[in-house]
Amino acid sequence: AQSVTQLGSHVSVSEGALVLLRCNYSSSVPPYLFWYVQYPNQGLQLLLKYTTGATLVKGINGFEAEFKKSETSFHLTKPSAHMSDAAEYFCAVSPLGASGSRLTFGEGTQLTVNP
Amino acid sequence: KAGVTQTPRYLIKTRGQQVTLSCSPISGHRSVSWYQQTPGQGLQFLFEYFSETQRNKGNFPGRFSGRQFSNSRSEMNVSTLELGDSALYLCASSPPDTEGPNEKLFFGSGTQLSVL
Repeated sequence: AQSVTQLGSHVSVSEGALVLLRCNYSSSVPPYLFWYVQYPNQGLQLLLKYTTGATLVKGINGFEAEFKKSETSFHLTKPSAHMSDAAEYFCAVSPLGASGSRLTFGEGTQLTVNP
Repeated sequence: KAGVTQTPRYLIKTRGQQVTLSCSPISGHRSVSWYQQTPGQGLQFLFEYFSETQRNKGNFPGRFSGRQFSNSRSEMNVSTLELGDSALYLCASSPPDTEGPNEKLFFGSGTQLSVL
């Protein structure tokens, strides 16, 4: 079964600093990969996704992620953190060739942005 | 365009009772999936419905069931509630199928279920 591991359940950065949230997947075949964000008392919102093609994926709110097959990683970055980025972030995976909406999520990383 | 609507927003039940949660997808979306979110287990897939048929199912006991109506609205039911069923239940809808997975899930704000 496919799985994702998010390193660090809590990450704290200063406003304006680089944001780096780590995600590694376990699969012999590169799956589809996603990052979602969840603000308090809300559902999840898609930040970006990797399916095929370019390995550097740009998403909303200035976030991007790079798919690295050799490292089985899909880390999320943002050059400069903003206070509004404080939220919980989830990495998710869907098997290559799958249909439907079944995603396997990581445990989440709570991002705190300090003024 | 209205988003995914889940009702009720909060629910308190006691052990042994049953509960029904409702989800109205975005207009035009035919796929509805359900996830359970708890602090201990994180986000776990329950099931997915497409055109009134269950297309995928997670590893939950038979106490958890769902259905989808012809207008794509979906309900999930949990019978004989246990304390461990306390969770945020999230519903997500997806646009019509393309090749590969439904890449973009639109989530509702969830129903927070507390079992006492």
